[in-house]
Amino acid sequence: AQSVTQPDIHITVSEGASLELRCNYSYGATPYLFWYVQSPGQGLQLLLKYFSGDTLVQGIKGFEAEFKRSQSSFNLRKPSVHWSDAAEYFCAVGAKTSGTYKYIFGTGTRLKVLA
Amino acid sequence: DAGVIQSPRHEVTEMGQEVTLRCKPISGHDYLFWYRQTMMRGLELLIYFNNNVPIDDSGMPEDRFSAKMPNASFSTLKIQPSEPRDSAVYFCASSRGQGTVGYTFGSGTRLTVV
Repeated sequence: AQSVTQPDIHITVSEGASLELRCNYSYGATPYLFWYVQSPGQGLQLLLKYFSGDTLVQGIKGFEAEFKRSQSSFNLRKPSVHWSDAAEYFCAVGAKTSGTYKYIFGTGTRLKVLA
Repeated sequence: DAGVIQSPRHEVTEMGQEVTLRCKPISGHDYLFWYRQTMMRGLELLIYFNNNVPIDDSGMPEDRFSAKMPNASFSTLKIQPSEPRDSAVYFCASSRGQGTVGYTFGSGTRLTVV
């Protein structure tokens, strides 16, 4: 069965510093991979997605993610973090199981940004 | 587009009462999903619909939970009777197609059962 692991529950960075949030997945084939962001009291917003092609994908708000098949990873990066990036970030895996797609979300990484 | 609209935003109810959560998906989206988010279990898929038909309800925790989608623009999630352990944030999401697309989430309903 597919699974998603976000090993970091909390991450704190200073404003202007670079950011990398880790995501590892388990699936037999190439899954569909997503990153979502959730601000307090809000629903999840799609940042970016990968399903084929260039392994480096660009998303909204200056985020990018790189798919590395050999490491089963899909890490999210941003070169310079802004205070407004403080939120919770979820990695998700979509894969076909028994004829239907199943999406599984990771447990999330809460990002704190220091001024 | 107004996005996925959920109501109410907050609901406080007493144990044993019936609770109905509502969702209006984005027009033209043919998939609708209900998720529950808790600190302990994270985001859990409860049920999803395709063209108003329930496809997978294996995530519905027990018979107290039921969901309907009478038409393409409206869905409900009902809990009867409610219990304190049902306290969570319930999200509705919709998408056009499935697989490569991402979901659009509503702002959620925070349910507190006392």
